[in-house]
Amino acid sequence: EAGVAQSPRYKIIEKRQSVAFWCNPISGHATLYWYQQILGQGPKLLIQFQNNGVVDDSQLPKDRFSAERLKGVDSTLKIQPAKLEDSAVYLCASSLYGRGEQYFGPGTRLTVT
Amino acid sequence: AQSVTQPDIHITVSEGASLELRCNYSYGATPYLFWYVQSPGQGLQLLLKYFSGDTLVQGIKGFEAEFKRSQSSFNLRKPSVHWSDAAEYFCAVGAGNNDMRFGAGTRLTVKP
Repeated sequence: EAGVAQSPRYKIIEKRQSVAFWCNPISGHATLYWYQQILGQGPKLLIQFQNNGVVDDSQLPKDRFSAERLKGVDSTLKIQPAKLEDSAVYLCASSLYGRGEQYFGPGTRLTVT
Repeated sequence: AQSVTQPDIHITVSEGASLELRCNYSYGATPYLFWYVQSPGQGLQLLLKYFSGDTLVQGIKGFEAEFKRSQSSFNLRKPSVHWSDAAEYFCAVGAGNNDMRFGAGTRLTVKP
């Protein structure tokens, strides 16, 4: 079974630029999550999708962050414009509906200079 | 609101020694509890989870954890640590699939 795929693995941008991350969950997983992991901290949930609907985006900075999951499969997270404090690893995870176990991708390490 | 506290930022143990990583949580109802491990440059891998039933949970790689409701704790243990166990360990609490909260993590160093 293929795992959660993310790209790119690394990205360096200047502040005020925009960036997008892509995630392809495990086949058949209805729930998809985006987390932000700042160095030295645990992952923080940004947004949770159930199929192509948003379940929880209470911690997503909506003035600059956006995410979509148009066909209920893969997802894109965008930051526009980026700030220095957005430097972090962005993790995507997926799970079967009704199950607590989340499977994580390798993450995208973003550096904003 | 739920929260997770991992009191130890960094722990060093000798290879072959026993290990216990502490986790305390705050949650209004019966929690779903998890331990994840993260190696450098990798995503998180689930070690074990507790939903209900037996409070001693067995996981992968020889790890186990015990849910103690009276102490609001879910400590991770391993009887004999291997050098390959060096990594970052995260405790998490959630309501099933929803509203997962992670602790800040404990970094484990294994001395030869």
